[in-house]
Amino acid sequence: SQTIHQWPATLVQPVGSPLSLECTVEGTSNPNLYWYRQAAGRGLQLLFYSVGIGQISSEVPQNLSASRPQDRQFILSSKKLLLSDSGFYLCAWSVRRFNQPQHFGDGTRLSIL
Amino acid sequence: EDKVVQSPLSLVVHEGDTVTLNCSYEVTNFRSLLWYKQEKKAPTFLFMLTSSGIEKKSGRLSSILDKKELFSILNITATQTGDSAVYLCAVEAHYGGSQGNLIFGKGTKLSVKP
Repeated sequence: SQTIHQWPATLVQPVGSPLSLECTVEGTSNPNLYWYRQAAGRGLQLLFYSVGIGQISSEVPQNLSASRPQDRQFILSSKKLLLSDSGFYLCAWSVRRFNQPQHFGDGTRLSIL
Repeated sequence: EDKVVQSPLSLVVHEGDTVTLNCSYEVTNFRSLLWYKQEKKAPTFLFMLTSSGIEKKSGRLSSILDKKELFSILNITATQTGDSAVYLCAVEAHYGGSQGNLIFGKGTKLSVKP
């Protein structure tokens, strides 16, 4: 069966520090991968998606970037965090076919001080 | 602008009650509508709906989609305390390719009291 892992579960970082969140998927090949952010009082917002190694699409302009160095690995990064980057970050995957649901990891709660 | 609106935003019921959660949407390039349950961490997948009028059912939960009126409902019968969670509605829009861009509502927070 397929599983998705995200780490760390929680993270407290000072403003201006770098960020690296990692997500890996097991039990499937060639998945579509996604990064979402859930801010307080707001719905989940899609940040990035990837349909293959090295292929990244950004949905919103921001301080963050994403990379996919391996088929089942998706990384969310920032060179300098802002206060507004605080939130709950979720990684998701789906089978690369039409009408397939996305499945989410447990998320990383990021607090910026 | 694509949007998904859920109502109510919060709901408190007692065990055994039946609840109906609502989701309306305005999305171009509609592909499907999904319901998720989020307790503490990861949203867990409940249903995916693509066709109008066909009810999806899983135990005490059921959902139906109306593509003409652009809404969906999620019903939970004989609620239990374990049903307490935030229920998320998301609409998948497509812009070419197999990837789905999910647009989420803000969720309905359901609290079931014993």
